[in-house]
Amino acid sequence: NAGVMQNPRHLVRRRGQEARLRCSPMKGHSHVYWYRQLPEEGLKFMVYLQKENIIDESGMPKERFSAEFPKEGPSILRIQQVVRGDSAAYFCASSPPGLPSGAAFSGNTIYFGEGSWLTVV
Amino acid sequence: KQEVTQIPAALSVPEGENLVLNCSFTDSAIYNLQWFRQDPGKGLTSLLLIQSSQREQTSGRLNASLDKSSGRSTLYIAASQPGDSATYLCAVVDNTDKLIFGTGTRLQVFP
Repeated sequence: NAGVMQNPRHLVRRRGQEARLRCSPMKGHSHVYWYRQLPEEGLKFMVYLQKENIIDESGMPKERFSAEFPKEGPSILRIQQVVRGDSAAYFCASSPPGLPSGAAFSGNTIYFGEGSWLTVV
Repeated sequence: KQEVTQIPAALSVPEGENLVLNCSFTDSAIYNLQWFRQDPGKGLTSLLLIQSSQREQTSGRLNASLDKSSGRSTLYIAASQPGDSATYLCAVVDNTDKLIFGTGTRLQVFP
């Protein structure tokens, strides 16, 4: 059973380009979370998605950032017109379906990917 | 708004020492607390999860305690080894269903 797969692992973009980060959750998982880790900082929540639905995007910057989790295929975090301040590690995590609010993490059921390191030059 | 703080930010110790890493959170209304390990350039590995109704969890040389009312957790590492060198992250889950992380403690254990 493969873990949470993220790609690319490392991505270099010039200012103004677009970055697309992909996350394939663990088999059977339908909840996906994206976190960002800036240099020397902790992980910050960005967005929580279920299949075809954005559940909570309270941590997403208002502009340039978007996320989706289509019915088929991986979840995509898209950053348009990247700036140097977007350079960070972006982590995806997944958990299984069917858990009521507040209990999504009641067991040891959240798994993180290895991260995608974005460098903007 | 929930805030999670970890002290110390960095720790360097000789092999064999017993260690205590501290985590504090501002809102005691949490569902659980987890400790993670992060190696440089890698993802997160869950070490221990403590439910809000529990007071501690143990796994091998690791023991985590939770005092929900005071908003504190400690991670105790017994007989530290160089392989324990990593960043240790504490995270809580509150009623927003999100993991809220501390900034971590960077541990170095030297031979």
